[in-house]
Amino acid sequence: QKEVEQDPGPLSVPEGAIVSLNCTYSNSAFQYFMWYRQYSRKGPELLMYTYSSGNKEDGRFTAQVDKSSKYISLFIRDSQPSDSATYLCAMSAFSGGTSYGKLTFGQGTILTVHP
Amino acid sequence: KAGVTQTPRYLIKTRGQQVTLSCSPISGHRSVSWYQQTPGQGLQFLFEYFSETQRNKGNFPGRFSGRQFSNSRSEMNVSTLELGDSALYLCASTVQGHEQFFGPGTRLTVL
Repeated sequence: QKEVEQDPGPLSVPEGAIVSLNCTYSNSAFQYFMWYRQYSRKGPELLMYTYSSGNKEDGRFTAQVDKSSKYISLFIRDSQPSDSATYLCAMSAFSGGTSYGKLTFGQGTILTVHP
Repeated sequence: KAGVTQTPRYLIKTRGQQVTLSCSPISGHRSVSWYQQTPGQGLQFLFEYFSETQRNKGNFPGRFSGRQFSNSRSEMNVSTLELGDSALYLCASTVQGHEQFFGPGTRLTVL
């Protein structure tokens, strides 16, 4: 079983829709949670970073973390065609030993927003 | 502030050769991590360097190695290339080790 599970999609939505992306994890040592966006043939771009349970909002993006359920989500409001990309969740544990500098990623969800 | 830069952007090699990839982190970032991205396995952690020391290593064979210089620039080397080493190699830099910023990657094709 993978430490981080993410539905690969693909997910296709109309412009203006609310998008919900989700990841579950099994390693209770994970304390830091990130969402990245990756356009084709580019490097991942950090969208959201959080380390506590609850919601964090940044513009049209809201990251939600539920540590008790080992579940994280990213919501995109008023989705735009320019949001079409692969979205990756990533997690890390407290620094030390085998955790130094290591992010564990989900498989990524391919999102297409059509006009 | 300049982002993470990686050179070269594209490489084509043949089996058995070796390759060296370079990464320059964001100014002030001392931690550099390397990842391999493939369609089948996704993003997998290779290793992390901080102040010229390897602090962590992922589950890859010894053919994959790296180093970091005093200016925080890092290189990774893959010896005796195999077809399965074809991938996008990404480096990321950070101050704390969690909030990582990625470069554009080097796309390696092994023929």
